Amino acid sequence: GNSVTQMEGPVTLSEEAFLTINCTYTATGYPSLFWYVQYPGEGLQLLLKATKADDKGSNKGFEATYRKETTSFHLEKGSVQVSDSAVYFCALRDYGQNFVFGPGTRLSVLP
Amino acid sequence: DGGITQSPKYLFRKEGQNVTLSCEQNLNHDAMYWYRQDPGQGLRLIYYSQIVNDFQKGDIAEGYSVSREKKESFPLTVTSAQKNPTAFYLCASSIYSHLRVGETQYFGPGTRLLVL
Repeated sequence: GNSVTQMEGPVTLSEEAFLTINCTYTATGYPSLFWYVQYPGEGLQLLLKATKADDKGSNKGFEATYRKETTSFHLEKGSVQVSDSAVYFCALRDYGQNFVFGPGTRLSVLP
Repeated sequence: DGGITQSPKYLFRKEGQNVTLSCEQNLNHDAMYWYRQDPGQGLRLIYYSQIVNDFQKGDIAEGYSVSREKKESFPLTVTSAQKNPTAFYLCASSIYSHLRVGETQYFGPGTRLLVL
């Protein structure tokens, strides 16, 4: 079945550092890929998405590129802020299927 | 403003008691979902519904029940058969279409259930 794997957390960075959170997937079809963010005590919010190979999703300085050849969708940000501290979930959705979420990666940004 | 509301924000359950979590959406979405999130864990699918009066079990449906009598409402009941109900419960909705795989899933703010 479909699955999503994310890098183990927690990830701790200093403010203005470069962020990469790895995400790889297994899917039988041609899924759409998503990154969601969850702040403490809240629901998940869509951060960005890509619906086909080589698409780049971007939002609030975050970017991720849909790489079909490596089945990856790594999240990057050039300069993180304390306010980016949250849990980040990679997810996929395939045709006729429900969403599949990764286990989440907790990011802590120190001032 | 369109969105998903969940109530209550915190819910306490006594031993042997059934409790119901509310989820309402005004996004005109066909599909609705319930997830359970344990501390430091990802999301696990409890139940989902793609149309009114129809719903399907997810990965961890035992000890839970749902109904879908209206398009905008998808309440979740945590029954006394669920022996470890303490968790954060998230409701979500989306457009349902086999062809529109890029449609986003939108989430409510969550309900935290605690056992007394």
